[in-house]
Amino acid sequence: AQKVTQAQTEISVVEKEDVTLDCVYETRDTTYYLFWYKQPPSGELVFLIRRNSFDEQNEISGRYSWNFQKSTSSFNFTITASQVVDSAVYFCALSPPNTGNQFYFGTGTSLTVIP
Amino acid sequence: EADIYQTPRYLVIGTGKKITLECSQTMGHDKMYWYQQDPGMELHLIHYSYGVNSTEKGDLSSESTVSRIRTEHFPLTLESARPSHTSQYLCASSDPGTGNTEAFFGQGTRLTVV
Repeated sequence: AQKVTQAQTEISVVEKEDVTLDCVYETRDTTYYLFWYKQPPSGELVFLIRRNSFDEQNEISGRYSWNFQKSTSSFNFTITASQVVDSAVYFCALSPPNTGNQFYFGTGTSLTVIP
Repeated sequence: EADIYQTPRYLVIGTGKKITLECSQTMGHDKMYWYQQDPGMELHLIHYSYGVNSTEKGDLSSESTVSRIRTEHFPLTLESARPSHTSQYLCASSDPGTGNTEAFFGQGTRLTVV
């Protein structure tokens, strides 16, 4: 079974604080892709990152960084020095092979950055 | 910026009406999806398509139907809208030809059935 768990439903931080959004996944596949999406109030989901299960290197993009730990089936997302524009719902997703590019989404974490 | 468009953005309609939610993409993607997003934020896959003349039901049972006559167009139809259909509907597309790739999403249609 494929499953993605985002245990944090809502998080509030004060601007400039760092915040980490947790993502834990379950799959029996040995190869798979993991994603993070951002959903601002406008409604669309914006792609942030894709990670292949073979690549456990952490990635940094500006104020965003991702920590992929295959041993604990986690793919956490950290925003450094948060800004009000980071306020959104963030979704983690899993896409295993042989599923025709199916996506399994977590329930999302709503982040509010307070000025 | 993704080239996938949904219309209308917002729709308020009476019970029993037939509605069609439009979704078009200009990226030539074979795979397209419809997700229903309830107020609790969770995304549920209701339909997907591998290409022209291919449609499949997703994990969440839905009374809606879809069609895929052209690669770029994947409309969703509700024959008789009910208040339980009130939700946000998100259309997406992807190009799995080179492996699992990200899905590109439209801005969604917020449907309210009164």
